[in-house]
Amino acid sequence: AQKITQTQPGMFVQEKEAVTLDCTYDTSDPSYGLFWYKQPSSGEMIFLIYQGSYDQQNATEGRYSLNFQKARKSANLVISASQLGDSAMYFCAMRAGETSGSRLTFGEGTQLTVNP
Amino acid sequence: DTGVSQNPRHKITKRGQNVTFRCDPISEHNRLYWYRQTLGQGPEFLTYFQNEAQLEKSRLLSDRFSAERPKGSFSTLEIQRTEQGDSAMYLCASSLLFGQSGPFQYFGPGTRLTVT
Repeated sequence: AQKITQTQPGMFVQEKEAVTLDCTYDTSDPSYGLFWYKQPSSGEMIFLIYQGSYDQQNATEGRYSLNFQKARKSANLVISASQLGDSAMYFCAMRAGETSGSRLTFGEGTQLTVNP
Repeated sequence: DTGVSQNPRHKITKRGQNVTFRCDPISEHNRLYWYRQTLGQGPEFLTYFQNEAQLEKSRLLSDRFSAERPKGSFSTLEIQRTEQGDSAMYLCASSLLFGQSGPFQYFGPGTRLTVT
């Protein structure tokens, strides 16, 4: 079974500063994918970034980067130069198997608040 | 590409009534997923389809729940004899099995169900 743990229920950051959202995972499958989604108050889940278990380099997408430490089973999201619009709920998720489209297992989320 | 759409966006029903939700995936996506999200939690997997075949169902999907994807395009999720515990956001997502965009799941805006 897969498990995702997000230990930060809430995080605060000043506008223009960087913030790291923590995520640890557990799976016995050697092949897996890790995802981060953003959920604003409107409710829609917005895909941010993806890391495959065999990827050699950390994933980056604009201001988002994923700090992937396989031995520690962690996949932290780093948001650089925070903006007020980044205030939202952030979910880490995992899918066992890189090429199959099977279920996602989500963590409980971290509520990020960006202060002006 | 119009994204994943869900209807209705909000549904209020009385306990014991039946409700049906609809999801229209991204047109070329052959996989479709249903998740349920209760307040303060991450989404939980309910079921998924590959084309018209329902390939996996979660234990969360009791016999009061039924999902269909009759022609491999849109899907419906029906809840019979609703209970207050069914109050949640019901999220639909779609993905390609293989392809350049990868097996990423793209989510719709959700249907928020309130059972009174």
